[in-house]
Amino acid sequence: ETGVTQTPRHLVMGMTNKKSLKCEQHLGHNAMYWYKQSAKKPLELMFVYSLEERVENNSVPSRFSPECPNSSHLFLHLHTLQPEDSALYLCASSQSQGTNQPQHFGDGTRLSIL
Amino acid sequence: GENVEQHPSTLSVQEGDSAVIKCTYSDSASNYFPWYKQELGKGPQLIIDIRSNVGEKKDQRIAVTLNKTAKHFSLHITETQPEDSAVYFCAASRGGSGDKLTFGTGTRLAVRP
Repeated sequence: ETGVTQTPRHLVMGMTNKKSLKCEQHLGHNAMYWYKQSAKKPLELMFVYSLEERVENNSVPSRFSPECPNSSHLFLHLHTLQPEDSALYLCASSQSQGTNQPQHFGDGTRLSIL
Repeated sequence: GENVEQHPSTLSVQEGDSAVIKCTYSDSASNYFPWYKQELGKGPQLIIDIRSNVGEKKDQRIAVTLNKTAKHFSLHITETQPEDSAVYFCAASRGGSGDKLTFGTGTRLAVRP
């Protein structure tokens, strides 16, 4: 039990589909993050939320739309994705925003775009 | 911005031997350096971290050393076991509120029984 749960674990979708990734943390943290992990590349930070407010958007295309309804839940809404968006999407949380607190990761959603 | 380089990309050691993974960073203001272990099908798990006010930190078979002058830090695993086989990532940041982690590209460690 990592304390950060992501669903679904695997997702296959066509380029015209709309789907959502879900993340839930049971650690009482106030900050949540979305990362993209592609083969042979460093983890890429996509979005940061602190106390349900988006504080960073790392030049991510608008086909990715995050939502944070409360401090325990984070969503990533997907629409009209491209094949290069196939990757492992990781959610993380920390006690507060920034890196003076350790980040705890979920096990990710493996996304494949047909 | 910060740039983190990690070497080697793959490492194979005999069970019981030591493994060393090295990272260099470019931002002299970075002062927080965590290491993550990612097993197959799992997310990264923080295994040890170090801040710039210390040069070395140890936790059982794992140790991290930091050389701020040379801007590099290393992960040392002693008495390796098959369950140490995984991908290891280093990261660096300035460590303050609002800052972000910059990750290395990872090292795939295989421990041969």
